[in-house]
Amino acid sequence: DAMVIQNPRYQVTQFGKPVTLSCSQTLNHNVMYWYQQKSSQAPKLLFHYYDKDFNNEADTPDNFQSRRPNTSFCFLDIRSPGLGDAAMYLCATSRNLQGGEQFFGPGTRLTVL
Amino acid sequence: AQRVTQPEKLLSVFKGAPVELKCNYSYSGSPELFWYVQYSRQRLQLLLRHISRESIKGFTADLNKGETSFHLKKPFAQEEDSAMYYCALLSNDYKLSFGAGTTVTVRA
Repeated sequence: DAMVIQNPRYQVTQFGKPVTLSCSQTLNHNVMYWYQQKSSQAPKLLFHYYDKDFNNEADTPDNFQSRRPNTSFCFLDIRSPGLGDAAMYLCATSRNLQGGEQFFGPGTRLTVL
Repeated sequence: AQRVTQPEKLLSVFKGAPVELKCNYSYSGSPELFWYVQYSRQRLQLLLRHISRESIKGFTADLNKGETSFHLKKPFAQEEDSAMYYCALLSNDYKLSFGAGTTVTVRA
């Protein structure tokens, strides 16, 4: 079953301790996205990769980085998590940038202690 | 910059009653609008898009450029329609902007 997988589903980290969230896809889509969603808020786009081209949103903090070593995997690195970074992080993919249909993973809920 | 507004956080209806979820947007370009849905314990998924002009699971949505709205409607709500619904706008730079979502509860 082609899908978007996120690991882990729940991640607890300490204030300032680097953390990496993982996303993989079996859809062979060109585009991979990372969204941050805080409680009762809209998902907010952090950045996306079109193939190997990285596109950062202007208001994404420098604390957030991403890597896409191959078509299937994309990682979200938070270098020094603060309490305000506690959120659900959603990975999504799309075949291309056009069209608007994105396929979402189940999300990783990040807790910062 | 684009903005998507869903004025209702919560919507409760009885089974068999009509349901309408409101969505308004602001965008200077030519928008593409979508509705995404998240059922309990499932991932966010596309429900319908305005360019398709189709009915999915009995839901329809019409883009009204004059009123900058894209309301989602279903004439007879079912219990399985209980979910979180997000309106989304695809801008000309291919970025999807979501509203804050509406939680729909359909009561038996």
